[in-house]
Amino acid sequence: GAVVSQHPSWVICKSGTSVKIECRSLDFQATTMFWYRQFPKQSLMLMATSNEGSKATYEQGVEKDKFLINHASLTLSTLTVTSAHPEDSSFYICSAGAAGGLSYEQYFGPGTRLTVT
Amino acid sequence: QKEVEQDPGPLSVPEGAIVSLNCTYSNSAFQYFMWYRQYSRKGPELLMYTYSSGNKEDGRFTAQVDKSSKYISLFIRDSQPSDSATYLCAMSVSGNQFYFGTGTSLTVIP
Repeated sequence: GAVVSQHPSWVICKSGTSVKIECRSLDFQATTMFWYRQFPKQSLMLMATSNEGSKATYEQGVEKDKFLINHASLTLSTLTVTSAHPEDSSFYICSAGAAGGLSYEQYFGPGTRLTVT
Repeated sequence: QKEVEQDPGPLSVPEGAIVSLNCTYSNSAFQYFMWYRQYSRKGPELLMYTYSSGNKEDGRFTAQVDKSSKYISLFIRDSQPSDSATYLCAMSVSGNQFYFGTGTSLTVIP
């Protein structure tokens, strides 16, 4: 149980285009989803926290107009990188907290590797 | 100063060895301490969780938290090649926002 999927697992796009990444909780309802970015040999950095049906809360330094997050249902959150640039190339990982579960229990997706050329 | 410091390694040990992984932190308000294992190109999976100070054991894994020294450890006994992965420590004040270490890359040699 507690499986989180991400799609796509790997995407290459041209500079200036937008990319959408999906995060799904497959066998549980996720009231809260988190989006992280991980650069090589660096730790996961929290980008934003989203609760179903409400606006995401972005961490300091993360541009909300560039990284659009939509948490439309209890099983799906999307991250759209708008007007992507090479410096946005990174590993993006989502995690989901189960409804009614303990707050420290975040289940991570397998990640999406974004390369912007 | 980073919130969480972790030696990135890499760490290489023979099969059967005891592995010690450590993190230090600066925020004395941290109360939740987690260890995650991350295989290459995969998302992290929760290994151990500890609230406040103390030890916790689960099979071959033991997590220790020393809040007075702001130091946490993960011990792996009888290490196996399948334990080869990157180990991330994570901490939280309230259990929501996590602060991660950079991860320690471990290789267990058969």
